[in-house]
Amino acid sequence: QSALTQPASVSGSPGLSITISCTGTSSDVGGYNYVSWYQHHPGKAPRVLIYDVSNRPSGVSNRFSGSKSGNTASLTISGLQAEDEAEYYCSSYTSRSIPWVFGGGTKLTVL
Amino acid sequence: EEQLVESGGGLVQPGGSLRLSCAASGFLFHTYWMSWVRQAPGKGLEWVADIKQDGSEKYYVDSVRGRFTISRDNSGNSLYLQVNSLRVEDTALYYCARERRLGVRYFDLWGRGTLVTVSS
Repeated sequence: QSALTQPASVSGSPGLSITISCTGTSSDVGGYNYVSWYQHHPGKAPRVLIYDVSNRPSGVSNRFSGSKSGNTASLTISGLQAEDEAEYYCSSYTSRSIPWVFGGGTKLTVL
Repeated sequence: EEQLVESGGGLVQPGGSLRLSCAASGFLFHTYWMSWVRQAPGKGLEWVADIKQDGSEKYYVDSVRGRFTISRDNSGNSLYLQVNSLRVEDTALYYCARERRLGVRYFDLWGRGTLVTVSS
């Protein structure tokens, strides 16, 4: 069981928007502005989309955005494209006995 | 081009050992914290261990502490994970990842992983 809770799957039609949630506790998501989001296509290296809740690394499309409220962070993908179909993971720095925790992943299907 | 390439995975019996390697290129390896992250079949990502730039600090997830050892060779731009006393539940794709820590906290570079299968 993953430390952070994500929906197992989400789907959306091309051009529309979806939001993926990531729920933790006050020891991780709620306690730090260190939530990051990763896109993972099978067989490829994971790729960071969002860091520190809402920051986009250079080269990442502005269709990807992040936010946080309390113990829940969210990733929104707007203007869905076929290439967005992938697994998405959230992660947070944490004050627990380990420095990093991940969510269980969300499979995005573009209809 | 910045790159991480893992190797050393394979099929091993329960109780066996492997040494996973991660070759870094295209960046100043010795200036970064580095991590190992794994993904068991059908499961999410799980952080396994990390190591400070000079190797003076190392941290592990509870399930591997005492069995796995993370190390690095800054002169050879390589990260290692010695995995001993392997269990079936250690079966996973093992990724190495670069940490960003200066005022931020995230993994900004990943490899494609090396597969460890523990089975009799």
